Amino acid sequence: DIQMTQSPFTLSASVGDSVTLTCRASQSIRTLLAWYQQKPGKAPNLLIYKASNLETGVPLRFSGSGSGTEFTLTISSLQPDDFATYYCQQYNTYPWTFGQGTKVDFK
Amino acid sequence: EMHLVESGGGLVQPGGSLRLSCVASGFTFSSHEMNWVRQAPGKGLEWISNISYSGLSTHSAESVKGRFTTSRDNAKNSLYLQMDNVRVEDTAVYYCASGIYFQQWGQGTLVTVSS
Repeated sequence: DIQMTQSPFTLSASVGDSVTLTCRASQSIRTLLAWYQQKPGKAPNLLIYKASNLETGVPLRFSGSGSGTEFTLTISSLQPDDFATYYCQQYNTYPWTFGQGTKVDFK
Repeated sequence: EMHLVESGGGLVQPGGSLRLSCVASGFTFSSHEMNWVRQAPGKGLEWISNISYSGLSTHSAESVKGRFTTSRDNAKNSLYLQMDNVRVEDTAVYYCASGIYFQQWGQGTLVTVSS
């Protein structure tokens, strides 16, 4: 199975900060990576697909990059609504796998 | 607007069975691969199964292989998860999600496995 490793586990930040979350795959997944945001008690919400494609309706402050085994999600100016947990997921090879998540909380 | 609604969760004893359903609306269900994803209490997300547009092809995680069966009825815009021989570690919120990257999610249904 392809292991997805996210870092950091927790990221403490303030409104207006630019933050970068990292996701590493144990083997190449080309660009077949998605990013999701999840808030407590809610279903996840797709932010980015194919590593860098912004899902319709997602604010432009979110961006994704990377290929192969190294990927990043950047939030350019953190807003109050962005404090949540973020997951990466590979869909290159079955079984599809998620990272363990990065929680973005208030500094 | 795409919409997915799960149902069928509840309390089940270890070794028992449960069938989850997911009804889709607002999009052409038969044109989308569908998935089940679960989340144990306080834990991360775990993909557990995928089914092709036609329903002829499925893939499952090792943790549920041989115990859970995914199926669909395109005429009813419905996705199903038959859960047999459930274990305590199957306790989770179960989500249905559309596509190969999960564009649309349901609200989830809680399955609790306990004696």
